[in-house]
Amino acid sequence: NAGVTQTPKFQVLKTGQSMTLQCAQDMNHEYMSWYRQDPGMGLRLIHYSVGAGITDQGEVPNGYNVSRSTTEDFPLRLLSAAPSQTSVYFCASRLNRRVANTEAFFGQGTRLTVV
Amino acid sequence: AQTVTQSQPEMSVQEAETVTLSCTYDTSESNYYLFWYKQPPSRQMILVIRQEAYKQQNATENRFSVNFQKAAKSFSLKISDSQLGDTAMYFCAFMPTYSGAGSYQLTFGKGTKLSVIP
Repeated sequence: NAGVTQTPKFQVLKTGQSMTLQCAQDMNHEYMSWYRQDPGMGLRLIHYSVGAGITDQGEVPNGYNVSRSTTEDFPLRLLSAAPSQTSVYFCASRLNRRVANTEAFFGQGTRLTVV
Repeated sequence: AQTVTQSQPEMSVQEAETVTLSCTYDTSESNYYLFWYKQPPSRQMILVIRQEAYKQQNATENRFSVNFQKAAKSFSLKISDSQLGDTAMYFCAFMPTYSGAGSYQLTFGKGTKLSVIP
């Protein structure tokens, strides 16, 4: 198993550009989520999905879109990048949303810089 | 909404010594899980230990143990016999297990940067 795979690992964007951060898991997990990590802020939830075709907003959803067409993939789209979106982004998956004691698996993160 | 507070932005400990990282949380829920995650310089998020709120017994994982005080809403992490590989950012996280909006979501603290000194 590869676990949770995020691509790319690093990205520099110009203000106004769009891009998609990819996230894929091969563990047949139902629950997937995106976080952003900023210095002194911890990790904050952007969007999450409890299964294919179902997504919902987290704490900081503005400026981001998601979709879940398959169980394996959960891409995060930046529609028009802004410097405030400079951050490290993590994708995570868990077997099932309501099985709280199962471990959340994280990808290796994407460091995004918007100039 | 739940909040998780880690009051120590940075800490250091001598190799082989013991260190305790603090975490407090605020919630009106009675059923929840608490976690400690480790993030080394590689950026990988690694689960260190988890605690179920309804369990009185404190969780332990080898050199890592917690002191869970439910009434005080406190969840500290003790690292014994500190090793150089323990140098990392440590995040405390809270997960409520009710059925409403926000249930089963992880809320993270801001983190404590731990340095183990040789």
